[in-house]
Amino acid sequence: AQRVTQPEKLLSVFKGAPVELKCNYSYSGSPELFWYVQYSRQRLQLLLRHISRESIKGFTADLNKGETSFHLKKPFAQEEDSAMYYCALSFYNTDKLIFGTGTRLQVFP
Amino acid sequence: SQTIHQWPATLVQPVGSPLSLECTVEGTSNPNLYWYRQAAGRGLQLLFYSVGIGQISSEVPQNLSASRPQDRQFILSSKKLLLSDSGFYLCAWGTPYEQYFGPGTRLTVT
Repeated sequence: AQRVTQPEKLLSVFKGAPVELKCNYSYSGSPELFWYVQYSRQRLQLLLRHISRESIKGFTADLNKGETSFHLKKPFAQEEDSAMYYCALSFYNTDKLIFGTGTRLQVFP
Repeated sequence: SQTIHQWPATLVQPVGSPLSLECTVEGTSNPNLYWYRQAAGRGLQLLFYSVGIGQISSEVPQNLSASRPQDRQFILSSKKLLLSDSGFYLCAWGTPYEQYFGPGTRLTVT
């Protein structure tokens, strides 16, 4: 079955430090991978998708099919990056997204 | 532009009581609609989704049910709440590639 794993429930870093939020998936075909973010008192929203190959708010994520990973990275964390981050998977001929359990990122000043 | 509404924002219900949470979408037609539960330590769990009126797919067997009586209305219900039903319930509309979430309902079952 398709599955998304985010091994870290909490990741704490200091401002300016690099950040990597891990995401691994299980799916034998060609997946579509996404990162969603929920800031305090805001709605859950799409941050980025692998197919767009974009950098949003300094974050990037590369799909590594060999390692079945889609880790989210930022070279220099900011306090406003503190939020809950969810990795999500979709695939061909489905109407749904499969979310991971989420990682809470705390960036200390 | 499209907007999604959920109510109520918070709800405290005793065990064994019924539940009805409502979600409506404006500004789009025939959207895919989704109900999720966000529980501490368990992430975002898909409960139900619907691709059209009267079409409901259930992802998790439990004492909850969903209905879609109108194109842009999605209702989550229960006949008898359990303590384990406590959580934050999110409604969303969109596609498998991009979903737009409502503000959520915080349900506490006492």
